[in-house]
Amino acid sequence: SQTIHQWPATLVQPVGSPLSLECTVEGTSNPNLYWYRQAAGRGLQLLFYSVGIGQISSEVPQNLSASRPQDRQFILSSKKLLLSDSGFYLCAWSVKLGRANVLTFGAGSRLTVL
Amino acid sequence: AQSVTQLDSQVPVFEEAPVELRCNYSSSVSVYLFWYVQYPNQGLQLLLKYLSGSTLVKGINGFEAEFNKSQTSFHLRKPSVHISDTAEYFCAVSELTGTASKLTFGTGTRLQVTL
Repeated sequence: SQTIHQWPATLVQPVGSPLSLECTVEGTSNPNLYWYRQAAGRGLQLLFYSVGIGQISSEVPQNLSASRPQDRQFILSSKKLLLSDSGFYLCAWSVKLGRANVLTFGAGSRLTVL
Repeated sequence: AQSVTQLDSQVPVFEEAPVELRCNYSSSVSVYLFWYVQYPNQGLQLLLKYLSGSTLVKGINGFEAEFNKSQTSFHLRKPSVHISDTAEYFCAVSELTGTASKLTFGTGTRLQVTL
């Protein structure tokens, strides 16, 4: 069966520090991978998605970047965190079945920037 | 562009009472619709999905939803809720970009079940 792991689960970082959140998927190959952010009191915003190694699509301009160095690994990064980067970050994966793709989410990483 | 509106940010309900969580969507193409549930400090779990066929979709935990094309709605219902149903519920519509299916989510409805 497929599983998705995110770490760290919680993170408290000072403004201006770097960030690295990691997501890995097991039990499948060539998945689509996604990063969503959930800010307090708001819905989920798609940040990045990837259809293959090295292929990253950005949905909104921001202080974050994403990379996919391996087939089942998706990393969310920042060189200098802002207060507005605080939130709950969710990684998700799906198979490639067009619009019928069902996204399966990880448990999330809660980032607090102070 | 597709969008989803969840009309109620919070829905309080007593245990064993019925509940309906409302969702309306806008889309210029045929839609695929989803409901996800999020328990506190956890990721999202798929409750049910509408892809085609019967407009009444049954999901996990006794939930069901009805796709209404004329009203562009996909409301979630449960005839009798339990305390354990307390969670945040998200409606989403799917959009295809290349081979990636992107979900656009509503802002969520917090279901609070009390005794």
